[in-house]
Amino acid sequence: IAGITQAPTSQILAAGRRMTLRCTQDMRHNAMYWYRQDLGLGLRLIHYSNTAGTTGKGEVPDGYSVSRANTDDFPLTLASAVPSQTSVYFCASSDSLNTGELFFGEGSRLTVL
Amino acid sequence: GQNIDQPTEMTATEGAIVQINCTYQTSGFNGLFWYQQHAGEAPTFLSYNVLDGLEEKGRFSSFLSRSKGYSYLLLKELQMKDSASYLCAAVDSNYQLIWGAGTKLIIKP
Repeated sequence: IAGITQAPTSQILAAGRRMTLRCTQDMRHNAMYWYRQDLGLGLRLIHYSNTAGTTGKGEVPDGYSVSRANTDDFPLTLASAVPSQTSVYFCASSDSLNTGELFFGEGSRLTVL
Repeated sequence: GQNIDQPTEMTATEGAIVQINCTYQTSGFNGLFWYQQHAGEAPTFLSYNVLDGLEEKGRFSSFLSRSKGYSYLLLKELQMKDSASYLCAAVDSNYQLIWGAGTKLIIKP
């Protein structure tokens, strides 16, 4: 079944640790995104990629990095996790940047202690 | 600054009709999305409007007025499964998505 897959589903980690959230899509979409969702706030864009080999900063990029080595994969790395990065993280993809439907992964719930 | 406003929470009765409003202020405009998000799940696409008017899709309809910076999502014949958050998002002139905080819709029997 075509779609977008995130891993892990949930994770608890200690502050200061490095963490990578994985995201893979098999729809051959050009654009991919990482959002965080916190209670009472709208989805906030962390980083995005318009096409393989290119990435851009979103609204809240500090403390996060991404790479887009190929069309399918778009991992998000927290180099040194802090408690304020406790959130639900959604990966999404679309055929082109912010035009047309976004397809979301099931989310990764991250708790930083 | 750019902003999306929608009510935080609404309550409606099963079988009834509910209208969820969204107002936006963006630098330019290239369309407006509505997404549905059940608790603990991912958002899923409902509609996209770029021209003024009403678009109907089954029990759900979406309306846009570009001159007023206003949209609404109309849900008819409400079912318990419609209990969810409804997210409004506008596309600005740079094709960036500006998201509202979402409206939590509670359906009562």
